[in-house]
Amino acid sequence: LAKTTQPISMDSYEGQEVNITCSHNNIATNDYITWYQQFPSQGPRFIIQGYKTKVTNEVASLFIPADRKSSTLSLPRVSLSDTAVYYCLVGDGRNAGNMLTFGGGTRLMVKP
Amino acid sequence: GAVVSQHPSRVICKSGTSVKIECRSLDFQATTMFWYRQFPKKSLMLMATSNEGSKATYEQGVEKDKFLINHASLTLSTLTVTSAHPEDSSFYICSARGASGRVSPYNEQFFGPGTRLTVL
Repeated sequence: LAKTTQPISMDSYEGQEVNITCSHNNIATNDYITWYQQFPSQGPRFIIQGYKTKVTNEVASLFIPADRKSSTLSLPRVSLSDTAVYYCLVGDGRNAGNMLTFGGGTRLMVKP
Repeated sequence: GAVVSQHPSRVICKSGTSVKIECRSLDFQATTMFWYRQFPKKSLMLMATSNEGSKATYEQGVEKDKFLINHASLTLSTLTVTSAHPEDSSFYICSARGASGRVSPYNEQFFGPGTRLTVL
């Protein structure tokens, strides 16, 4: 399983763009990168998934460089409600594989 | 769509008793369900993986006789914490995954809201 490394915590202010980077140096060819968000005392919620280059949905963008050894989750114009823990997972999710190992996550605190 | 529920959301029990936690996929058939445990301020730790109709696969260090998992149908998995002790107090989260592509093109896991277990 590809191990992931993220910053433990980040602070931001409302309206700012937040970029959270995840390192996954030993990512395998078939691995996808998935990000989850978790609020206190709730289960994680899927945010975005990608394989390479850039993926964008209604809540976030995911930037993946050509070597795929890292990825960056970008949250545009964060609000207080985006305060949560964000987890980066790497695994062969498309084939019911092993995207099951949660790293430490990044605790994002959005301030007014 | 793709909603997973857990029951109960919160349970307090006495040491030595057994507690059953249910995990249901409400609008899809979950071929695989996962059980996690999460301690305060910590990440999720996978406990076991269960496929409908077969025995669960436990992660290293997880006692299968203490944490009984039953995945009797494609929409229900249960976790029973037997002879609970205070150190079993934790947040237990289940997730479910449907057949690849049928529920989500990303084959993602859908997580339940979690169950807070407190053992006195």
